[in-house]
Amino acid sequence: KAGVTQTPRYLIKTRGQQVTLSCSPISGHRSVSWYQQTPGQGLQFLFEYFSETQRNKGNFPGRFSGRQFSNSRSEMNVSTLELGDSALYLCASSLKVTNFYNEQFFGPGTRLTVL
Amino acid sequence: GDSVTQMEGPVTLSEEAFLTINCTYTATGYPSLFWYVQYPGEGLQLLLKATKADDKGSNKGFEATYRKETTSFHLEKGSVQVSDSAVYFCALSGDYGGSQGNLIFGKGTKLSVKP
Repeated sequence: KAGVTQTPRYLIKTRGQQVTLSCSPISGHRSVSWYQQTPGQGLQFLFEYFSETQRNKGNFPGRFSGRQFSNSRSEMNVSTLELGDSALYLCASSLKVTNFYNEQFFGPGTRLTVL
Repeated sequence: GDSVTQMEGPVTLSEEAFLTINCTYTATGYPSLFWYVQYPGEGLQLLLKATKADDKGSNKGFEATYRKETTSFHLEKGSVQVSDSAVYFCALSGDYGGSQGNLIFGKGTKLSVKP
């Protein structure tokens, strides 16, 4: 079974631009979560989508947004990029069949560099 | 809010040495607890988990016991190998409302094992 895939793996943008990252979950997984990883702040939760609905959101500004499609693929968008947005963005998927914790499987991440 | 505190690294050990990485948490209710490992250039892999008090998670020689009385989930391995060199993250997932969709991570502990 294929794992979580993220595209692109590497991205370089300049301040003020916007960027869209893509995540394809494991087949059958309906929940997709996004995390930002930086040396200073560590791993921080961005948001979670389940059945095309955002169910949970972390403490990030409105410049960070996401969506999920009917096939469970998800995208996140960052508008008006700032230098501090440089990070590894990780996507994780899970089955989410109950209200209890479902194991999250992580993709390799997209490394975003903002110049 | 919920939080995870783990010992700061880096930790450098010789091959076959005993490993302990301390992790304590603050959470409402009865969270699930996890250890994830990140190898260079890769995403996160679940190493082990425990979903209720006194549970012991184990995998690949690593163990951790969910201690509610001390709010701890310390990672141990009796004999480390060079291939264990990686960054280890302790994490929790809340048991309330929509919080099951997100993981709260510690800062990570970098382990280097020398031959």
